[in-house]
Amino acid sequence: GQQLNQSPQSMFIQEGEDVSMNCTSSSIFNTWLWYKQDPGEGPVLLIALYKAGELTSNGRLTAQFGITRKDSFLNISASIPSDVGIYFCAGLNNNAGNMLTFGGGTRLMVKP
Amino acid sequence: DTGVSQDPRHKITKRGQNVTFRCDPISEHNRLYWYRQTLGQGPEFLTYFQNEAQLEKSRLLSDRFSAERPKGSFSTLEIQRTEQGDSAMYLCASSLEPVYNEQFFGPGTRLTVL
Repeated sequence: GQQLNQSPQSMFIQEGEDVSMNCTSSSIFNTWLWYKQDPGEGPVLLIALYKAGELTSNGRLTAQFGITRKDSFLNISASIPSDVGIYFCAGLNNNAGNMLTFGGGTRLMVKP
Repeated sequence: DTGVSQDPRHKITKRGQNVTFRCDPISEHNRLYWYRQTLGQGPEFLTYFQNEAQLEKSRLLSDRFSAERPKGSFSTLEIQRTEQGDSAMYLCASSLEPVYNEQFFGPGTRLTVL
């Protein structure tokens, strides 16, 4: 099925470093969501974005809705060991249905 | 505060058997979604309900799959004559108007077909 292009696929960083990941699509979306998933669990919603150009923060997380509506970015500042997990972007276009289209995920590993 | 719950969390079955999963959404959430996630991939949409009405179905939802939400609360997903390719994590999510687009996921049911 269709998936968004999410990069990087994996990152191995030192505790305290900042992290950036992004998601691109050939289609436009009116909503971008970012989720974190731990092994054996369901995705947990981190941030929701609704407007092109919107920048939203949730603690050390900051996400942006790209102005073309075809991309989104997630930054994590000052990473800590509990940030380890898989981060997924997801887009939704209500004019094309009410389902989320997910990226392939970014696996984040943090070295203490 | 209870989130989305799913039962069972794990299911191992033999090829050809039927299986049924249950999802209880967050209380008063009127939209309920089913997704499937295979190893190393993001979730893929299967179907969704608004109250008891099934409004959208993905092409991934073959004839062997059926989902119901009879009273607009919990939902069941049944897979008939399971195949090895059905092995995956089945995720349920729910959302509430007016922020329908914010979908909250349950812990999933991991299905292994032998």
